[in-house]
Order: sequence, then C-alpha cells, then structure tokens
Amino acid sequence: DVKVTQSSRYLVKRTGEKVFLECVQDMDHENMFWYRQDPGLGLRLIYFSYDVKMKEKGDIPEGYSVSREKKERFSLILESASTNQTSMYLCASSLKTPWGLLHFGNGTRLTVT
Amino acid sequence: TQLLEQSPQFLSIQEGENLTVYCNSSSVFSSLQWYRQEPGEGPVLLVTVVTGGEVKKLKRLTFQFGDARKDSSLHITAAQPGDTGLYLCAGARKNNQGGKLIFGQGTELSVKP
Repeated sequence: DVKVTQSSRYLVKRTGEKVFLECVQDMDHENMFWYRQDPGLGLRLIYFSYDVKMKEKGDIPEGYSVSREKKERFSLILESASTNQTSMYLCASSLKTPWGLLHFGNGTRLTVT
Repeated sequence: TQLLEQSPQFLSIQEGENLTVYCNSSSVFSSLQWYRQEPGEGPVLLVTVVTGGEVKKLKRLTFQFGDARKDSSLHITAAQPGDTGLYLCAGARKNNQGGKLIFGQGTELSVKP
C-alpha cells in the first residue's frame, strides 16, 4: 500500500512566521500535490510537481512556495504565515497516468494566530 | 469558479435509508473519481469511472457517470453508520498529466443508528 506521510498532524504558528510542511511518499510516484481543505470549498490545489525540482502553480499559489529536491519528498512553505492560511493541508501523490488516482496523507491542521 | 457542483452539501439520515449524492458540471471530464474522507484522515479513493454511461457497484454503493461525461452520482442503499463521512467527487480534464483534479465542495453524510 502507498503511504503518504505528513510530518505534523497539528501545528500552531504565529502571524509572520515561516512555516514548513513536509510530505514523504514511499511508492516512487512521479506526481506530488499540496491541497488545502476548507469547509464548503472542497479541496483547492496550491502547487504540484511532476518531477524532481519541478513545480507548477495550482489554483491558489499566493503566499505559498514549494520544494522538491528528492522524488519522495515535497515541501510546502508559507513564507510569512497569515491568519487566512489557517486550514487543513493535504499532501497527495500519484503515478503519471491519465486518471491520476490520488493517495493522500492524513493532513496537517495548521492554525495561525 | 467552482467547476464541479456537488449536492447536497449536508445530509443527515437514519440507518437503513437510501440516499443519492450528485456531482454536476458544464465541463466534460475524461474520468471522475469519488473519495470518502473520515474525520482526522485524508480522502480515500472509492472508485473511478471513465466511460460515459458507466455504472460501478461497490457493495451498497452505486456510482454512475453521465452519458456526456459531465456529471456523476453516488447512490447508497440501506445506509449504515459506518458510511458516515465526507464524500468528494473529483474530475480529471482531458490531457490531464495525472492527478491534477478538480474537486467538488463535498457532501457531509451523517447516518444515525
């Protein structure tokens, strides 16, 4: 079974702090994704990566950046955390297939105070 | 712009009742996936439908992809408390490189014993 591991389940940070969310997958998947999940809005794509050192903006990239130095690891960076970035963050991975079946981690609930 | 409209957003029913969740769009998708998410966990893939008119059954769950590949439905027969969770539909556009999905807002289902 594919395992996608997010480093923290819960995080509390202060406004203006730099925040790192880490994600590791163990199935050699080419694709990795960062979503945020908010009630009534579903999942919104922040950034994704189809290969090492490669990244593309999703639908809501503002205020975020990413890093993919190794195939198994995809990091989400909040350069200067703000209260409107309080959310559930979900990492996912998939093979490079037309149907993109996603395997999700259990999420990181980030609170910015 | 929400490209996938999911309804209803909330559903509270008694054990044994039937229910249907709808996922509608004006756009054509090459495939559509349904995920279920339980509290504190990431979404887990239930099914993928790829052919217009396709019907797939998973025990008491029946999934249908519209003929025009713009909509889908999830029908649960004789719901049980274990079916409680957030149900998400997600569509893959044509030429999708794998995993870049568009998600509906989700349907929060509560099945009371």
